Amino acid sequence: SQKIEQNSEALNIQEGKTATLTCNYTNYSPAYLQWYRQDPGRGPVFLLLIRENEKEKRKERLKVTFDTTLKQSLFHITASQPADSATYLCALDGSGYSTLTFGKGTMLLVSP
Amino acid sequence: DAGVIQSPRHEVTEMGQEVTLRCKPISGHNSLFWYRQTMMRGLELLIYFNNNVPIDDSGMPEDRFSAKMPNASFSTLKIQPSEPRDSAVYFCASSLLPDTQYFGPGTRLTVL
Repeated sequence: SQKIEQNSEALNIQEGKTATLTCNYTNYSPAYLQWYRQDPGRGPVFLLLIRENEKEKRKERLKVTFDTTLKQSLFHITASQPADSATYLCALDGSGYSTLTFGKGTMLLVSP
Repeated sequence: DAGVIQSPRHEVTEMGQEVTLRCKPISGHNSLFWYRQTMMRGLELLIYFNNNVPIDDSGMPEDRFSAKMPNASFSTLKIQPSEPRDSAVYFCASSLLPDTQYFGPGTRLTVL
């Protein structure tokens, strides 16, 4: 069965540094991959979508890469700020019903 | 637009009682999803509706769970009878296929 892995340990970084989060998947060939942000007590919020034929996508301070050979996506936040502290979830398109399968997320903590 | 609306935001009930969670999707969206989130299992898809029709309910835990979408602007998720292991945060999300999903604020359910 398809499996999505995100680092369960929180990532702690200093303000101004680049945060890099990893999403690995197995037994799967997704057509696209998405990243969401979730703050405590709130629902996930969509950030970026990258398709299988795209290597990289950027949006302001965010950058996502998608390596279908390694079955891995990297999510970067440059010039990180304390306001970037949240849990980040990756999601892959599902079994053909246009649904999403989510990873458990990685918590990012940016200290001033 | 007000976004996806869920009610109630918090629900505390006793084992054996019936629980009904409600969702109003974003106007114009043709897909609606119910998810359950726990620390142990992360965000799990329960059921997916497209144009008010249930397409994939393979994630519904058991017969105690049921979901309806009587029209394009309203959906319910019912648990009867509820059990302590049903305690979780339940999210509703809507989308325009095959685009990104917009999540509601969630309902935190506690079954005593």
